[in-house]
Amino acid sequence: NAGVTQTPKFQVLKTGQSMTLQCAQDMNHEYMSWYRQDPGMGLRLIHYSVGAGITDQGEVPNGYNVSRSTTEDFPLRLLSAAPSQTSVYFCASSSNINQPQHFGDGTRLSIL
Amino acid sequence: GENVEQHPSTLSVQEGDSAVIKCTYSDSASNYFPWYKQELGKGPQLIIDIRSNVGEKKDQRIAVTLNKTAKHFSLHITETQPEDSAVYFCAASKTGNQFYFGTGTSLTVIP
Repeated sequence: NAGVTQTPKFQVLKTGQSMTLQCAQDMNHEYMSWYRQDPGMGLRLIHYSVGAGITDQGEVPNGYNVSRSTTEDFPLRLLSAAPSQTSVYFCASSSNINQPQHFGDGTRLSIL
Repeated sequence: GENVEQHPSTLSVQEGDSAVIKCTYSDSASNYFPWYKQELGKGPQLIIDIRSNVGEKKDQRIAVTLNKTAKHFSLHITETQPEDSAVYFCAASKTGNQFYFGTGTSLTVIP
């Protein structure tokens, strides 16, 4: 079992560029979520999904889009990158919204 | 929404000593409280969790206590070892709702 796999591990973008952060899980989990981690601020929820075809906003959704076409995949899209989006992004999955979450190893994103 | 506060932000202990990290939460409906350990360059890993119908849970050198009246919960690590050095996060959630994380505690165990 690979668990939660995130790609890429590192990325540098220029302001205004777009990109997609990939997240895949092989545990047949219904609940998937995206967090950003910034120094001194812990983990903040960006978007989440309770199942294929269903997504919702978290605490800090502005500037990000998500979709959930399959149970396994939950990509995060930055439409027009801004320096404020420089962060480490983590994807997580669990069998249910109130169950222990399994995290990927993160994508370290820098916006110049 | 829920507000989770975590203290201290940094903690240094001698190897073999105990470490205690405390979190408070604001929403009395929160009923699930996990603790995560994050090593450098890795994602958070669940180390122990507790639900609101239990006051204490232990797993070898790690224990978590919950005080629902005071709305706080604590992580206790006994007989600390250098490999316990990491960042620890607490979190709180209620049924059907998202997780809210504390801001993390950087634990250093000095050999």
